[in-house]
Amino acid sequence: RKEVEQDPGPFNVPEGATVAFNCTYSNSASQSFFWYRQDCRKEPKLLMSVYSSGNEDGRFTAQLNRASQYISLLIRDSKLSDSATYLCVVNKGRGGSNYKLTFGKGTLLTVNP
Amino acid sequence: GAGVSQSPRYKVAKRGQDVALRCDPISGHVSLFWYQQALGQGPEFLTYFQNEAQLDKSGLPSDRFFAERPEGSVSTLKIQRTQQEDSAVYLCASSLETSGSHNEQFFGPGTRLTVL
Repeated sequence: RKEVEQDPGPFNVPEGATVAFNCTYSNSASQSFFWYRQDCRKEPKLLMSVYSSGNEDGRFTAQLNRASQYISLLIRDSKLSDSATYLCVVNKGRGGSNYKLTFGKGTLLTVNP
Repeated sequence: GAGVSQSPRYKVAKRGQDVALRCDPISGHVSLFWYQQALGQGPEFLTYFQNEAQLDKSGLPSDRFFAERPEGSVSTLKIQRTQQEDSAVYLCASSLETSGSHNEQFFGPGTRLTVL
């Protein structure tokens, strides 16, 4: 079983749609959780961190359920510019440090006009 | 300010050749990471430096892979006797420090290696 598993996708949605990405992780000792965005042939960039209390940044909402080892990302009122691959990322460190990122395979989102 | 830079951006190698990939982290960043991203996959951790010390190389796929950061700044990832399965994008990332809460890792544009 992969350490981080995401919806396989791809997702094709019209502008204005709401889209949800789901992710599960296997290591219960994981410490930090993130969503990264990667545009085609570009580097990954941090979209947002994910907290147990849930957090929102404009049209983006992230949720974490530690008991279920589940992470989600919701995009409301999707824009053409949201088209990208969304990577679920988990941080597992050694000895308390938190440096090694473990990525899911990514889910490709295409927002259509 | 300047971000993480990598060179070359593209590298084509014949099977069996040695290659060297360079990473210039953000100035002052203590931590440096190398990841390998195969086509259609997420990045996978290769190795990690804190200043000049290589603290984790557990992700290096074989002893043909070697990384160094001798002065705690620029890093080089070397692959000896390249194989076709080494074809991937090699991403370098840096972050300010390791301790405490998460420090964002900033990624470079990557080097796309194709082994023929």
